[in-house]
Amino acid sequence: AQKITQTQPGMFVQEKEAVTLDCTYDTSDQSYGLFWYKQPSSGEMIFLIYQGSYDEQNATEGRYSLNFQKARKSANLVISASQLGDSAMYFCAMREYNQGGKLIFGQGTELSVKP
Amino acid sequence: EAQVTQNPRYLITVTGKKLTVTCSQNMNHEYMSWYRQDPGLGLRQIYYSMNVEVTDKGDVPEGYKVSRKEKRNFPLILESPSPNQTSLYFCASSLSSAFQPQHFGDGTRLSIL
Repeated sequence: AQKITQTQPGMFVQEKEAVTLDCTYDTSDQSYGLFWYKQPSSGEMIFLIYQGSYDEQNATEGRYSLNFQKARKSANLVISASQLGDSAMYFCAMREYNQGGKLIFGQGTELSVKP
Repeated sequence: EAQVTQNPRYLITVTGKKLTVTCSQNMNHEYMSWYRQDPGLGLRQIYYSMNVEVTDKGDVPEGYKVSRKEKRNFPLILESPSPNQTSLYFCASSLSSAFQPQHFGDGTRLSIL
């Protein structure tokens, strides 16, 4: 079974608008971390934001926020005020405490920001 | 500047010619890992290391070797590369906790002819 599911292979958003990228996860571990990474066309993996399983507040980092709904096992990324430079692949990932530190990735969502 | 450095960034080589991709981090991280990224298959872990002299297999270790003799370095060795190892490779490092993000190198594009 997929541990990380990103159901949107591709999305478009107008510049300056907000966009939500979906991510659901599956784990029986109580301790885990959820992460979002950005991969521009140049290929590097850039860490964006993190949410711990015990965190009660949603994480925010600048224009990025994570909408964490633990009971629904979802960790959606919200990008506010989209910019052209936000066009990239976005990956949701999870680290489980009992799994040796491995990052498990979703299949990614390709975001295109339109001018 | 805190970073993970991989070399080379690009390499085209031939089947059977041993190669090493180096990875170095300057953040004093205990945990280091190698991933490969392939279209349609996403990112998969090859090997990881929880600390010096401690390494373990990830999901796709066949055809690869690693070593962790120093905390900062974690080279990936392809003893006899084959075309199915053509891929984009990433080294990553982090503190050991599940609550810490992994920081990635810029990637190495390997083409095995």
